[in-house]
Parts: sequence; structure tokens; C-alpha cells
Amino acid sequence: DVQLVESGGGLVQPGGSLRLSCSVSGFTFSNFAMHWVRQAPGKGLEYVSAINPDGLKTYYADSVKGRFTISRDNSKNTLYLQLSSLRPEDTAVYYCVTLSFDYWGQGTLVTVSS
Amino acid sequence: DIVMTQTPLSSPVTLGQPASISCRSSQSLVHSDGHTYLSWLQQRPGQPPRLLIYKSSNRLSGVPDRFSGSGAGTDFTLKISRVEAEDVGVYYCMHATQFPPYTFGQGTKLEIK
Repeated sequence: DVQLVESGGGLVQPGGSLRLSCSVSGFTFSNFAMHWVRQAPGKGLEYVSAINPDGLKTYYADSVKGRFTISRDNSKNTLYLQLSSLRPEDTAVYYCVTLSFDYWGQGTLVTVSS
Repeated sequence: DIVMTQTPLSSPVTLGQPASISCRSSQSLVHSDGHTYLSWLQQRPGQPPRLLIYKSSNRLSGVPDRFSGSGAGTDFTLKISRVEAEDVGVYYCMHATQFPPYTFGQGTKLEIK
């Protein structure tokens, strides 16, 4: 069975940093691009970032460009999202998602507040 | 960016009755490969989203056949033939035709009358 398990969320002050991880199992992780999608409390889905299978190509939404960094370790079947210069509007549940959006993790909550 | 617009944003439905959600894209979702990458997602309360329909009309394995997707070009519809209590939640359309980025509709809240 495919499983995606996010971790690393928590409460952080504005301007702070966090690293989210997504541990993947049940498929050949190194063969597929991956996405991060976020959802602010009570709001809709926002596409955040993507990375290709070898990690050499990445994409960021304008709202996070220059502050977030996506990466992956194919030897560890793990996807990462480094969040820096965090703002209150970054408060959201962050989901890691497979290439075709057919599998989603349970999400990890990031709260940016003083 | 392609903008996805859903209507209605809220849909109260009687159990056992049909429901329909529309999604319109600001540009055609026909990819150069000929496929139309329009998907529908369901998000039950407190749960992550779940893919129901891909390429406009293909049901994911395990999705009940009361869910159906249709449409082409810029206009798409998700239909539930007979709403059940477990169908309550928010439904999103999204496109994966032109990258970057992929974009989602605002969501339609399905609730029981």
C-alpha cells in the first residue's frame, strides 16, 4: 500500500523556519515527481511546490518563492520542504502528494504566530 | 495561470437525491497529447483530499459508481446520482494540463438538507 507520512510541523514565530518531511512507501519514489499542497484553516487548496524525480527541477508558487525550498532524498524515500522567513499567512496544513494526485498524506500543521 | 471556477460554492442536498457541481476553466484543458487533465477531489471533514475522478471522466478504483465526471474543453461537471451521508464534504476540481502551476477550484461544500 502507498503511504505518505508528513512530519515536522509545529508552532513557529514570524520570521522563523521549519523543515517538513514526507516519508514515502509502497511505490518506487525515485521514479516520480512529487508535490506539496497546503490548506489554510477553513480555506481551499493551494498548490505550493513540485520537484522532479532526480531533484534537479523544482517549482514554487509565487507566494513562497525565495522562502521555501523543496528537496528529496531518493535513498531515504523522503520528500522535504524547508520553510524560511515564515509569515502568519503561511499557517496551513501542508500535504505531500504523489505525481497524479492519487495519494495524499494526512498533512502536518504549521502555525506561524507570535 | 489557469483559473478554475466552481459553482455552486454550497450545495444542500436531500439524501438519495442527485447533486451536480460545475467547474469552468479560464483556458481549454486539452493537453497537446490530446488528454484533458481535469480531476475532481473529495475532502471529507477532518480528512485529506481524495482523488475521485481523473482525466475528466475516469473514476479512480474504489470510487462508487454514483460519482461521474463529464465535460470537455473548459466546462466540466461532477455528478452524484444519489447522495449518501458519507458524501458530505468539500469537492474541488483541479487541472493538471498546463504546468506550472496546477490550480484548484475554490471548493463546493456539499451538505445534507
